[in-house]
Amino acid sequence: DTAVSQTPKYLVTQMGNDKSIKCEQNLGHDTMYWYKQDSKKFLKIMFSYNNKELIINETVPNRFSPKSPDKAHLNLHINSLELGDSAVYFCASSQEAGATEAFFGQGTRLTVV
Amino acid sequence: DAKTTQPPSMDCAEGRAANLPCNHSTISGNEYVYWYRQIHSQGPQYIIHGLKNNETNEMASLIITEDRKSSTLILPHATLRDTAVYYCIVRVNYGGATNKLIFGTGTLLAVQP
Repeated sequence: DTAVSQTPKYLVTQMGNDKSIKCEQNLGHDTMYWYKQDSKKFLKIMFSYNNKELIINETVPNRFSPKSPDKAHLNLHINSLELGDSAVYFCASSQEAGATEAFFGQGTRLTVV
Repeated sequence: DAKTTQPPSMDCAEGRAANLPCNHSTISGNEYVYWYRQIHSQGPQYIIHGLKNNETNEMASLIITEDRKSSTLILPHATLRDTAVYYCIVRVNYGGATNKLIFGTGTLLAVQP
């Protein structure tokens, strides 16, 4: 069973569209994250939720809106997509907010054309 | 979180030990040293972490100098599947907004047959 699963794995879309990436973890973890890895391979945190509550919100355009319907899911919705949003987006989870080990999904490669 | 410095790339012969260095000269007393790796086209994977004592698990060993200003990750018998970017990260283990992994540029370890 996949511990942290993201869908879709690949997403190609036009500028201006709205899209969502879904993430689910079956580890029973309380904390989930979204990271972005850009074309230069820099990996940066975007958001973190603990028990459905937002605890980290880095400097991210408000076109990006995370939603956590329950603690096993953290979806990422992006409005008005721009070329610069093209990246690989990774979802992750950890047992709790101060836990030592984070488990990452396989990533979603978003290409905006 | 303290910044870390790693060599951009290293080579290692298959079956030999891979020693990956990391400098973290501004580390503070309550910051841990973490190592993650990212195999091509996959999400980051936790390897090991430590505070001041040397640590070993089934994947690797972590050697932290007495002054804690540097550390070395050791893969005792590198295989081709260990080819990846290895990230050294320092952070506190508190919860909340401090619970984020700040990835640098890492070291690309290429294991040669």
